[in-house]
Amino acid sequence: DSGVTQTPKHLITATGQRVTLRCSPRSGDLSVYWYQQSLDQGLQFLIQYYNGEERAKGNILERFSAQQFPDLHSELNLSSLELGDSALYFCASSVAAGLSDTQYFGPGTRLTVL
Amino acid sequence: GQQLNQSPQSMFIQEGEDVSMNCTSSSIFNTWLWYKQDPGEGPVLLIALYKAGELTSNGRLTAQFGITRKDSFLNISASIPSDVGIYFCAGHSSNTGKLIFGQGTTLQVKP
Repeated sequence: DSGVTQTPKHLITATGQRVTLRCSPRSGDLSVYWYQQSLDQGLQFLIQYYNGEERAKGNILERFSAQQFPDLHSELNLSSLELGDSALYFCASSVAAGLSDTQYFGPGTRLTVL
Repeated sequence: GQQLNQSPQSMFIQEGEDVSMNCTSSSIFNTWLWYKQDPGEGPVLLIALYKAGELTSNGRLTAQFGITRKDSFLNISASIPSDVGIYFCAGHSSNTGKLIFGQGTTLQVKP
């Protein structure tokens, strides 16, 4: 158990819909990262927040957005969903802000878009 | 854009054998990371490399940061069944600020 929690564990929705994925970092960690893992695209870094502010951006689509709240939990919002958005979405957390700092991954949310 | 080529894509070996996998890129990275992902779990960081030429070990695992800063290697010695999983390399560029992952190497170990 990494100490990072993600909800929900599974999510099934339809194309065109909007969903919100939630992540709670390990106690004491200020950085939260979001990743997408799919069969065809592999593991991709989406975005990082540090202490409430956006710190780094990866291959995140404009239809996707994220935020980190004052209690440090984070939400990833996915809108206008397409079939290709079906993937495993991981959240990770770390103490500091560097992308190369040790990141602890949550169990993931499996999103299925029908 | 930046890309990492990880090879081999998969390996099926006998318990006790040594394993070697690598990642190469046309771009320079400042940090190389190696992760292992078990089925149904998130990736777990194995080794982080911060300097060109650096060689770092973690138990039976040894990883090296290539001199050119465009490649990295991971070796596993005396493999055991619990080494089964998918191994990912990742490179971080301080210029672009991005963390790029390789496609993964799936390792299977036959007892």
